[in-house]
Amino acid sequence: QLQLQETGPGLVQPSETLSLTCNVSGGSISSSRFYWAWIRQSPGKGLEWIGTTYYTGSTYYNPSLKSRVSMSADMSKNQFSLEVRSVTAADTAVYYCARHPGPKEGPDAFDIWGQGTMVIVSS
Amino acid sequence: DIQLTQSPSFLSASVGDRVAITCRASQDINTYLAWYQQKPGKAPTLLIYAASTLPSGVPSRFSGSGSGTEFTLTVSSLQPEDFATYYCQQLNSYPFTFGPGTKLEI
Repeated sequence: QLQLQETGPGLVQPSETLSLTCNVSGGSISSSRFYWAWIRQSPGKGLEWIGTTYYTGSTYYNPSLKSRVSMSADMSKNQFSLEVRSVTAADTAVYYCARHPGPKEGPDAFDIWGQGTMVIVSS
Repeated sequence: DIQLTQSPSFLSASVGDRVAITCRASQDINTYLAWYQQKPGKAPTLLIYAASTLPSGVPSRFSGSGSGTEFTLTVSSLQPEDFATYYCQQLNSYPFTFGPGTKLEI
């Protein structure tokens, strides 16, 4: 059964770079069947899609964050990563990674989520 | 960006009640809409995709309907474990967006 687990520092200094990794077990991120996404949720707020990556290296970012965000994948470690540069307190949130099946490969939605990791931006 | 609105924002109900939550999109998204349930301190879980399809394992008391710009999530008979926050999401086009959520409480 596929499982996703976010890892990374829980505290980041303002203006620094937030780096998170999503470790995938029970399935391969190099499969053409799935896309892989990052979503965040600020305390007490709703959900915000950050971006999506595909095994080809294609990436799709939310324009609201595009200038500060990059995503990558390490097929050898079966993990994908997120970087958010020049963070401020507004980037404090729970960060989730999730799977998004491709066309005809499953639900057209984020069908499996990691448990989430809280990141606080503070000095 | 496609904006999603949900109504109501809060919904007070009792076990056994039938409730409905509406999600409206700022433009036509066909049936590229999903619904998620989120309980405090937990990740969202997928309830419905393609506006009306239940993934395996989701109880049949949940149903979804709609297309275009107006969608509805219905719970036919509320169970204690259904008290949570519900979000809609459009996957018609990037950037994917979520609705602001509906908190269903007793």
